Amino acid sequence: EDQVTQSPEALRLQEGESSSLNCSYTVSGLRGLFWYRQDPGKGPEFLFTLYSAGEEKEKERLKATLTKKESFLHITAPKPEDSATYLCAGFSGGSNYKLTFGKGTLLTVNP
Amino acid sequence: GAVVSQHPSRVICKSGTSVKIECRSLDFQATTMFWYRQFPKQSLMLMATSNEGSKATYEQGVEKDKFLINHASLTLSTLTVTSAHPEDSSFYICSARGGGVGLLAGGAETQYFGPGTRLLVL
Repeated sequence: EDQVTQSPEALRLQEGESSSLNCSYTVSGLRGLFWYRQDPGKGPEFLFTLYSAGEEKEKERLKATLTKKESFLHITAPKPEDSATYLCAGFSGGSNYKLTFGKGTLLTVNP
Repeated sequence: GAVVSQHPSRVICKSGTSVKIECRSLDFQATTMFWYRQFPKQSLMLMATSNEGSKATYEQGVEKDKFLINHASLTLSTLTVTSAHPEDSSFYICSARGGGVGLLAGGAETQYFGPGTRLLVL
């Protein structure tokens, strides 16, 4: 069974305190992995797509990396506005295309 | 680019009535649309996948006669919750993927999500 596990479930940081979120996966025929940000009461907002081990993507204070078994979302010098739930999702390709979501990491950045 | 809208954002209805939720891709053609349900503090649960002009494919345990999905055009999909009951109260989110977004950051395989619809059945 396809599975995506995110850790920690919740993370509280002080503004400026860098950290990383983890996403480990076992997805049959994995084609790639997405990272999304979700604010309370809203739909997920797309952040990154990663396709192959060693790939890195950056956007402002966020950097996503991918290995053969896990992905990391690094947050550098976070600000309170980075507070949100971060979701990762693996997907298979072709006719089996479907997202398998992790349960998310709730990030709180205190000023 | 790659904007998905949903309407309404919130709806309250009486038990036994039907509710229709619209999902639109505003700046790209959505060959495939997805409907999810999300419970508080839980991740997204896929309900069904629909391709334009075809019948929707429902996930195991989702009643297709209760959750009617229509994907009549490349920019519009609708979810109708029929004979709604309080246990249908939830946050419903649609997403879309499709052509014309290959040049965007996410690529053609990325699902772009709508803002969600909060349904409360009394």
